Amino acid sequence: DAGVIQSPRHEVTEMGQEVTLRCKPISGHDYLFWYRQTMMRGLELLIYFNNNVPIDDSGMPEDRFSAKMPNASFSTLKIQPSEPRDSAVYFCASSWNNYGYTFGSGTRLTVV
Amino acid sequence: TQLLEQSPQFLSIQEGENLTVYCNSSSVFSSLQWYRQEPGEGPVLLVTVVTGGEVKKLKRLTFQFGDARKDSSLHITAAQPGDTGLYLCAGVFGNEKLTFGTGTRLTIIP
Repeated sequence: DAGVIQSPRHEVTEMGQEVTLRCKPISGHDYLFWYRQTMMRGLELLIYFNNNVPIDDSGMPEDRFSAKMPNASFSTLKIQPSEPRDSAVYFCASSWNNYGYTFGSGTRLTVV
Repeated sequence: TQLLEQSPQFLSIQEGENLTVYCNSSSVFSSLQWYRQEPGEGPVLLVTVVTGGEVKKLKRLTFQFGDARKDSSLHITAAQPGDTGLYLCAGVFGNEKLTFGTGTRLTIIP
């Protein structure tokens, strides 16, 4: 298994632009999580899905952030419009039965 | 919001020494996980502990879950440069969220 695959690995964009981060979870995993990591705040849970259904999005910072999971093998996290304070590393993780998370390599987002 | 405090925040020791890092919470965990993260990569799961008082060993790493399931420790024997990284504990509480601790950044000096 190739693990959790995220794309792109790096993204540099200008303030105000739309950014879309992508994630392919491990086949058979029924949970998918989006995290954001910064030096100041550590790893923060943004949203998670169970069987493609959003369960808890209370960590999404504001309406500029949205996430979808149209099927079991794909999820997106979108920021529109992006702001410099959104700069961080965004991780996707998946698990089976909420036991033992496998993380992707992350997307390093820089908003200038 | 549940908080997990890890200590120390930073630790730098010589190769061959032993060390212990800690993870504490004011709430009871359903289960607790330890991860190691290397630069440019996502966290990698090391172990999951579920039962109070549980001890698990992974080569030179020993993980202990407190009897009250509110704290945990990670002990490394004879540290090696390959142990360098960010060690994160993460607790699952009743609402299924995995909440991460603040992390201990470990550096092993050859």
